[in-house]
Parts: sequence; C-alpha cells; structure tokens
Amino acid sequence: DAGVIQSPRHEVTEMGQEVTLRCKPISGHDYLFWYRQTMMRGLELLIYFNNNVPIDDSGMPEDRFSAKMPNASFSTLKIQPSEPRDSAVYFCASSRQGRGNTIYFGEGSWLTVV
Amino acid sequence: DAKTTQPPSMDCAEGRAANLPCNHSTISGNEYVYWYRQIHSQGPQYIIHGLKNNETNEMASLIITEDRKSSTLILPHATLRDTAVYYCIVRARANAGGTSYGKLTFGQGTILTVHP
Repeated sequence: DAGVIQSPRHEVTEMGQEVTLRCKPISGHDYLFWYRQTMMRGLELLIYFNNNVPIDDSGMPEDRFSAKMPNASFSTLKIQPSEPRDSAVYFCASSRQGRGNTIYFGEGSWLTVV
Repeated sequence: DAKTTQPPSMDCAEGRAANLPCNHSTISGNEYVYWYRQIHSQGPQYIIHGLKNNETNEMASLIITEDRKSSTLILPHATLRDTAVYYCIVRARANAGGTSYGKLTFGQGTILTVHP
C-alpha cells in the first residue's frame, strides 16, 4: 500500500509569498493530521480532521495558516503570507478508526522562507 | 495526556540489544504507551504500542511494568540503521465518533546511536 504522500518535498520561497503544502492520506483512513517540526519546538500538532471535518485546530499558530480537506483523499495546508519563522518541516499523517488508531506519517515537506 | 520522561541520549553496540526506558508515572487507565522513531530527514515511524501487557512485533518488544508507570522498548539486535530519535508517547484511547481522538504528543525523545 502507498503511504502518506506529501508534496512538495522541498520548497524555498520568499517572505510574503503564499505557500501551499499538499497531502494524500492512506486510502481508507478517516483521520488526517498536520504536524510541524522545528529544532526549537520539536513536533507539534497543528490541526486534525475526521471524515474531512476539522476537529481540533488549536495548534494552528495564527490566521496566516489555514488547512482544508475537500475530500477523503486530499488536504492542503496554506500559509499566506509566509514569514521566515515558518521555516520548518511539515508532516502530514493519517489513521483509521478501529485499526489500533496507529498514525502513519508522510516524509514531510521541508519549507524554507527567506 | 500524561507526560513521559526519557533519557536524552543512549549508545548501543551493533548486534546488541538496545533497551530504551521511559517513565510515565501519571499514566491513567485509558492511556496507551506508544513508541515511534524518527530517522534523520524522515517522518516519524510507528514501532509498537501497548496498554498493560507486554507486546512484541517484528521490530521490537515493549515491556510495561505491572503498575504501568514505566516501560522499556527493546530492539533485540540493533543495527546501524536503528540510529534514530525514539519517542515514548502516552496517548488516550480514542473516543468512538472521533470527537475526542487520542492526540499523539511528542516530547524530546531519546537519541539512540548504534555504533560498530
């Protein structure tokens, strides 16, 4: 089975530009998570969805961040406008209710804002 | 979720067993112990989880003390590829319906270095 697929793997952008990160969860999974990892703060949960509905977005840092899940096989995390402090690795993860709830992670999107 | 305490780093010789400890003295009855690892530049990888019984899979064994206040992850024959950050996480059981899904909250983990 294909794992969680994220794109782009690497992105370098200028401050003020819009950034869109994409995620395809594992087929059949009904939970989707967005995490961010930095050296200073480690791995942080930003938001998660259940059946395409956002359940908890308390980790979203500020209004510049938004996440959507228009269907069961696709989600986006958007940053507008981007700032240098947004530089981090962004991970998408998914899981399925009832299967031990094990969460599987993608390989991450490495974002650098200059 | 209950907090966990792990040593910041450990070393292990290749071919030997790696025993990674974790303290979770405030764990409650509906919380599981999960272990993930993160190899450099990769996403976190699920290893194993348990509630109160010892567990074993193809990757590792998990030993949970009877009072559930601590656990040990055992990699029976460590290889160089096992060098990674290992995270011990206490996670609440998911609530049916998804409104109270057990969050996976990562701490700082243990940096395990396997050397030749």
